[in-house]
Amino acid sequence: AQTVTQSQPEMSVQEAETVTLSCTYDTSENNYYLFWYKQPPSRQMILVIRQEAYKQQNATENRFSVNFQKAAKSFSLKISDSQLGDTAMYFCAFTGANSKLTFGKGITLSVRP
Amino acid sequence: GAGVSQSPSNKVTEKGKDVELRCDPISGHTALYWYRQSLGQGLEFLIYFQGNSAPDKSGLPSDRFSAERTGGSVSTLTIQRTQQEDSAVYLCASSSQWGLETQYFGPGTRLLVL
Repeated sequence: AQTVTQSQPEMSVQEAETVTLSCTYDTSENNYYLFWYKQPPSRQMILVIRQEAYKQQNATENRFSVNFQKAAKSFSLKISDSQLGDTAMYFCAFTGANSKLTFGKGITLSVRP
Repeated sequence: GAGVSQSPSNKVTEKGKDVELRCDPISGHTALYWYRQSLGQGLEFLIYFQGNSAPDKSGLPSDRFSAERTGGSVSTLTIQRTQQEDSAVYLCASSSQWGLETQYFGPGTRLLVL
């Protein structure tokens, strides 16, 4: 079975600064995807970024980038130039052969003005 | 195009009553998933559909929970004889096909059982 661990329950960052959210996972599969989802107070789970395990290049989406270390089973999210709208809960998630998403417990990110 | 929609947005019910939660996936998406988000358990998988069939019901917490999908589109999650521990946010997601794909989520239904 897969597990996803987010050990930091909450973080705070000053607006315009950079913050990194950590995630580790465990799996015996070789082909899988990893995701970061954002959940603001509106409750809608929004896809932030996706990383395919077979790709060595780290995924980037505008201000969001990941540091994917496959051997270490680590998948961190870097948010550059943090904005007030980035305030939300962030979930790291894994999907493999069975197509189910396995989520971490999430981290609450607060962006201070 | 339109995203995943869910109804109702919020539902308050009395213990012992049955409830139906509805999910309308993104048009053309063949795979549909139900998850539950609760304070104590985090986000947990309930069931998925590929077309109208549900090959994996392993996540349903008890036989009071059932789900169906008709016409390869709308899905209904039914909870019979609701209990207070069923209180949670029920999230639906869809993907273009089953397998290694991105799942897109709806806004969820918040269920409160009194």
